[in-house]
Formats: sequence, C-alpha cells, structure tokens
Amino acid sequence: DIQMTQSPSTLPASVGDGVTITCRASQSISTYLAWYQQKPGKAPKLLIYKASSLESGVPSRFSGSGSGTEFTLTISSLQPDDFATYYCQQYNIYWTFGQGTKVEIK
Amino acid sequence: EVQLVESGGGLIQPGGSLRLSCAASEFTVSNNYMSWVRQAPGKGLEWVSIIYSDGTTYYADSVKGRFTISRDNSKNTLYLQMNSLRAEDTAVYYCARTPAAHYFDYWGQGTLVTVSS
Repeated sequence: DIQMTQSPSTLPASVGDGVTITCRASQSISTYLAWYQQKPGKAPKLLIYKASSLESGVPSRFSGSGSGTEFTLTISSLQPDDFATYYCQQYNIYWTFGQGTKVEIK
Repeated sequence: EVQLVESGGGLIQPGGSLRLSCAASEFTVSNNYMSWVRQAPGKGLEWVSIIYSDGTTYYADSVKGRFTISRDNSKNTLYLQMNSLRAEDTAVYYCARTPAAHYFDYWGQGTLVTVSS
C-alpha cells in the first residue's frame, strides 16, 4: 500500500500569509496526486489534480507542485475563507489520503 | 449543476446491514467511475470502494467481503450494501465521481452511519 504523509499536522497562520503544506508518498506516484480542502461538516472540495492542475473555479492563489514522492500545496496569500483542513490523495495505485493539515488562525 | 445526494445512513447494531444510496443528477452514473469515501468522526478520509463504467469493482481491504458497490442505471443511482457492520465502520459516507478512476471531483453531502449497540 502507498502511504501518504502530510506535514505539518497543524499550521497556525494569519490572513495574508503565504503557506505551504507538504505531502510525501511512500513510493513514487509520478504526478498522480490531488489536493482537497474540507471545512467542518462539509464534503471535501477538489483544489488541484495531477499535482499542479488547478480545478475550475479554484482561486489562483492555490498552487501545487512536485512529482515522484514529494509534493507541496501553496496558498500565496491566505484569505479568511481558506482556514480549513487540507488533504492530499494519491491515485497511482488504488486511492489513499494523507492524514490532513489543519490551517488555523494564529 | 452536477449534484450527488446520499441517503440511507442511521444507527445500526454491530453485525447488522445497511444500504446507502447516492442519487446523481446532471450526469450519468453508468458512464462514469463512482466511489464511496468515508470519514470516521474527527478522523481523515478513507477510500472505500469504486465501480468503473464497465462494472469492474474494487474495495479497500477493511471492507472487502462485507461491502458491495452497485448501481441502478434506470434510477441513475449508486449504492453501497454494507453487511456485518462493525463499530469501526462508523463514519460519514460520501459518494464521489471519480474521473478516469483518478481523483474525486464531485462529492455528495455525506450520510452518517453509526454502528453501536
């Protein structure tokens, strides 16, 4: 099984900050990686697929990069609506998620 | 607008059975890859099962042999039959469209399944 490890688990930040979340795969997954945003009581929302492709309608302050085993999600300037939990997900072999990173107000 | 609406969750005793439904609108379930993903209370996301457009199915090891994914083309609805339920199956269950069996682009609102005596 491919394990996905995100860091940090919690990320205190302020509005306007640039933030970066890292996701590491236990083996190479090429660019078969997606990122999601989830708010309490809501379904996850797709942000990024194929490691760096922005889903339609997602603000351009979100960007993804990486390949192989190391990936990052960057929010260039944090907005109030961005405080949420973020998950990475690999789809190279079956489908597995990282444990999540909660972006919280500092 | 693409919409997925789950139903069928509830409180069930260990060992019991439950069938979840996911009604889709604005796209055809049978022409797409469709998945179930669950989230235990306060925990992360776990993929449960997928059905391909050709009918091929896959399951997570944690549910293999107990859960069955299916669809009704006439109702444009996805199902998850859950048997021999355990306390660790307690979760919100989401259905999601899975383009090319890759990522999950549209999600339902989720339905809560609680397995407890």
